[in-house]
Amino acid sequence: GAGVSQTPSNKVTEKGKYVELRCDPISGHTALYWYRQSLGQGPEFLIYFQGTGAADDSGLPNDRFFAVRPEGSVSTLKIQRTERGDSAVYLCASSPSGRRVETQYFGPGTRLLVL
Amino acid sequence: KQEVTQIPAALSVPEGENLVLNCSFTDSAIYNLQWFRQDPGKGLTSLLLIQSSQREQTSGRLNASLDKSSGRSTLYIAASQPGDSATYLCAVARNSGNTPLVFGKGTRLSVIA
Repeated sequence: GAGVSQTPSNKVTEKGKYVELRCDPISGHTALYWYRQSLGQGPEFLIYFQGTGAADDSGLPNDRFFAVRPEGSVSTLKIQRTERGDSAVYLCASSPSGRRVETQYFGPGTRLLVL
Repeated sequence: KQEVTQIPAALSVPEGENLVLNCSFTDSAIYNLQWFRQDPGKGLTSLLLIQSSQREQTSGRLNASLDKSSGRSTLYIAASQPGDSATYLCAVARNSGNTPLVFGKGTRLSVIA
């Protein structure tokens, strides 16, 4: 079946602009995660959804970052007033129910470049 | 705060060699540990998941061990092939609360034909 998909695959924007990144999880997966991976680093947790609600948003770096999952499937990560330091690969993952025994399935990521 | 360290940062070996990648973590209160593979421009693929109660897991030419008390894991790759070239990431899941993973920076492996 289809895996996790993310759009766009690449996004170039100018400092100060607003961007939206989209994640389509595996069908039926209730848990969805966003991570950010900077060059040469491992992925860092941003936010975790269980269904429609954000169960843990402790990884969001500041209030410019916001994510939604209104119908419990597709999620959108929104970044306001982008800064050059936001440049990174944004990874989305999903798992069947969010239980810790489960593997998380990752999408290919969106590469964001802020000029 | 949990910190995950991977050594070496990069490794280049000739085809056919056996090799070991190392991962250490500072807080032994983990629920499980996973090894992932990441190819350039692609997402992460889970290779092996070891529960905290387990000592090792094997899949084909891959063997991962876990010593929770000392905060260490190793990924052993037997008879390496050029197709094994990728970045290998180690990640731990917390023992309480939700399930976000804490990742190391990875080891970039090159297997030379």
